[in-house]
Amino acid sequence: KNEVEQSPQNLTAQEGEFITINCSYSVGISALHWLQQHPGGGIVSLFMLSSGKKKHGRLIATINIQEKHSSLHITASHPRDSAVYICAVRAQRGSTLGRLYFGRGTQLTVWP
Amino acid sequence: KAGVTQTPRYLIKTRGQQVTLSCSPISGHRSVSWYQQTPGQGLQFLFEYFSETQRNKGNFPGRFSGRQFSNSRSEMNVSTLELGDSALYLCASSYLAGGPINEQFFGPGTRLTVL
Repeated sequence: KNEVEQSPQNLTAQEGEFITINCSYSVGISALHWLQQHPGGGIVSLFMLSSGKKKHGRLIATINIQEKHSSLHITASHPRDSAVYICAVRAQRGSTLGRLYFGRGTQLTVWP
Repeated sequence: KAGVTQTPRYLIKTRGQQVTLSCSPISGHRSVSWYQQTPGQGLQFLFEYFSETQRNKGNFPGRFSGRQFSNSRSEMNVSTLELGDSALYLCASSYLAGGPINEQFFGPGTRLTVL
């Protein structure tokens, strides 16, 4: 069983649509990250969250610590948003302290 | 400032061979982390080096090893290659050790194919 589960695995949208990607995790965490990976492999960090909500341009990330769930929203999606989005958590305690766990990613394709 | 570079970008090997991948971090960064990415398992942490010392290690067999040089450049080695080792290997550098992933800068990766 994967400690971090993402859904959906694949997502296709029309330009302008509102996008939601979900992440659920089963370990206690100190932080949750949303990453973006473009074709070719390069990864950039979009958000680091430990509580609440963060917004950067058209991207919004939320986290509910009690429910162990996070969502990444993209408003007014654009073809340049097409990428793989990865949820990652850093474990908080015990033998797994500090260890990073990753979701398997969501492939987003936005058509013009 | 130049980004993280990885060489080679693509590599084809056969089962049983060994391979060495190289990573040059951003100038001034002393921490290098390695990750393996496969379609089945997604992204997984391999190990982290800081100032030539391995600080953290993921759950990979001993066939996977690494080292870091005094100039912070890092290499990882996989011996006795298996088909399942086919993956994208990503390297990331950061200034501090154990830095959160949002402070890590990723290279473009090395695509390894094992036949």
